[in-house]
Amino acid sequence: SNELTQPPSVSVSPGQTARITCSGDTLPKEYTYWYQHKPGQAPVLVIYKDSGRPSGIPERFSGSASGTTVTLTISGVQAEDEADYYCQSAGSSTPYAGVVFGGGTKLTVL
Amino acid sequence: QLQLQESGPGLVKPSETLSLTCSVSGGSVSSGSYYWDWIRQTPGKGLEWIGSYCYCGTTYYNPSLKSRVNISLDTSKNQFSLELTSVTAADTAVYYCARESAYGLGGGRIDYWGQGTRVKVSS
Repeated sequence: SNELTQPPSVSVSPGQTARITCSGDTLPKEYTYWYQHKPGQAPVLVIYKDSGRPSGIPERFSGSASGTTVTLTISGVQAEDEADYYCQSAGSSTPYAGVVFGGGTKLTVL
Repeated sequence: QLQLQESGPGLVKPSETLSLTCSVSGGSVSSGSYYWDWIRQTPGKGLEWIGSYCYCGTTYYNPSLKSRVNISLDTSKNQFSLELTSVTAADTAVYYCARESAYGLGGGRIDYWGQGTRVKVSS
């Protein structure tokens, strides 16, 4: 099944590195996208196609993929990075069947 | 710069129909290879995909909502709409419209979102 699993929460101190994982059986065949969602705001795409970074997204945001797990890494976390983060998977060779999101991870900056 | 803006009533009575519109500016809903999505976030929960209108003319719906959802595209007004029938308190949520890029046979990045509109289902 096309389910994506994320840890409910991750906590780090400012300046540390935060790693948020997303696991799913279909991930080896698909690309993963990451969104940052702050309260009262629209979600923002921070990583596309596993490791691409859209223009305007700080370099401290990076993504990687290995097997059935993808990871969003935020290096040198800042207070403004506190938000919910969602992964999404999609494949070019898989007929469209809608948008699949992970359950979301709340990043707390201590 | 593409902009999306949701509009519609903020309060809907149980058993009635929730109707929202997404107005698109800075681009056309009838050009390019995109899916025009509706996504919601219920209180205390994550993002939930409701459905999509494909540039190809096909609609796709979340199986859990399929029997109650209709998404349509109005190219003359450059907007797309959501109808959700027989609503209950469980449909109380912030509703977002968004543009998703097609990639091969599938979808991909969602790089434009509306600001979201809060809808409460209550009598």
